Amino acid sequence: NAGVTQTPKFQVLKTGQSMTLQCAQDMNHEYMSWYRQDPGMGLRLIHYSVGAGITDQGEVPNGYNVSRSTTEDFPLRLLSAAPSQTSVYFCASSPPGLVGVSEQFFGPGTRLTVL
Amino acid sequence: AQTVTQSQPEMSVQEAETVTLSCTYDTSESDYYLFWYKQPPSRQMILVIRQEAYKQQNATENRFSVNFQKAAKSFSLKISDSQLGDAAMYFCAYSYSGGGADGLTFGKGTHLIIQP
Repeated sequence: NAGVTQTPKFQVLKTGQSMTLQCAQDMNHEYMSWYRQDPGMGLRLIHYSVGAGITDQGEVPNGYNVSRSTTEDFPLRLLSAAPSQTSVYFCASSPPGLVGVSEQFFGPGTRLTVL
Repeated sequence: AQTVTQSQPEMSVQEAETVTLSCTYDTSESDYYLFWYKQPPSRQMILVIRQEAYKQQNATENRFSVNFQKAAKSFSLKISDSQLGDAAMYFCAYSYSGGGADGLTFGKGTHLIIQP
């Protein structure tokens, strides 16, 4: 299994440009999430999904769109990039928790710079 | 909304010594899940240990253990026999569902330095 993969690893955008950060997992996990990590801020939840066709907003959703058409993929779209969106973005997935608790598996991250 | 607070931005410990990282949280729920994640310079997020709030017994994973005080809403991580490979950012995290259905709420992290 490749686990959780993210592309690209690095990206530089100009203000106002749009782009999509890709996230895919091959573990048949139902749950997927997007986080951003800024210096001194820890990771903050942007959007999450509990299954194909179902998404919800996290703590910092403004400026980002998501959709979940398949179990495997959960792309994050920046419609009009702003310098405040300069960050490292992490995608994570996990199977549904059963009796106990299931682990979230994180991708390697995408470093995005908006000029 | 739940919050997670890590009051130590940076900690330093001598190799082979023991260090404790602090974490407090705020929630109105009675059942929830707590985690410690390690992030080395490679940026990869690695689960260190987890605790279910309904369990009174503190979780232990080899050299890593927690002190879970539910009434005080405290969840500290103890690293025994510190090794150079333990140097990293450590994040405390909270989840209501435990299974990722609501995502994780993270603290701001503690940078752990291991002195040889």
